[in-house]
Amino acid sequence: AQSVTQPDIHITVSEGASLELRCNYSYGATPYLFWYVQSPGQGLQLLLKYFSGDTLVQGIKGFEAEFKRSQSSFNLRKPSVHWSDAAEYFCAVALNSGGYQKVTFGTGTKLQVIP
Amino acid sequence: DADVTQTPRNRITKTGKRIMLECSQTKGHDRMYWYRQDPGLGLRLIYYSFDVKDINKGEISDGYSVSRQAQAKFSLSLESAIPNQTALYFCAIAPSPTGGHTGELFFGEGSRLTVL
Repeated sequence: AQSVTQPDIHITVSEGASLELRCNYSYGATPYLFWYVQSPGQGLQLLLKYFSGDTLVQGIKGFEAEFKRSQSSFNLRKPSVHWSDAAEYFCAVALNSGGYQKVTFGTGTKLQVIP
Repeated sequence: DADVTQTPRNRITKTGKRIMLECSQTKGHDRMYWYRQDPGLGLRLIYYSFDVKDINKGEISDGYSVSRQAQAKFSLSLESAIPNQTALYFCAIAPSPTGGHTGELFFGEGSRLTVL
């Protein structure tokens, strides 16, 4: 069964520092990969997605993620964190098989940004 | 207007009561989903629907039922609510895959349900 692991439950970074959130997946084939962000009291919003091609993908709000097939990873990065980036981040993988889109979410990483 | 609207946003109820959470969308997407979010568990799929006549169970459907009243409306019911159904519930929509690609999910803002 496909699974997604986000090993860091909570991360604290200083404003202006760089950020990397880890995501590993377990699946035989290369799934479709997503990062979502959930601000307090809000639904989830797509940050970026990877389907194929260039393994470094750019998203909204200055985020990027790199797909590494050899490590089954899709880590999210941002060079300089802003206080407004404080939120919970979810990695997700999707398999499209026979018309069924099965999406599996990681357990999330809460990001705290300190001045 | 939001693409995906959930009502109510917050609800407190008692054990044994019937509860309905409603979801409507304005994007015209075929696929609609209900997820449940619990702290530390991420999002888990309850039910999903690919069109009005196509309803499918997700990984945690026990204790829940759904109705796809129209292409734009998908409601989730708890026939007899219990305390461990206290959670944040999300409705999500997605377009049908095109070109072999899986579409992203668009989420509502969530419905927080507390069962006492």
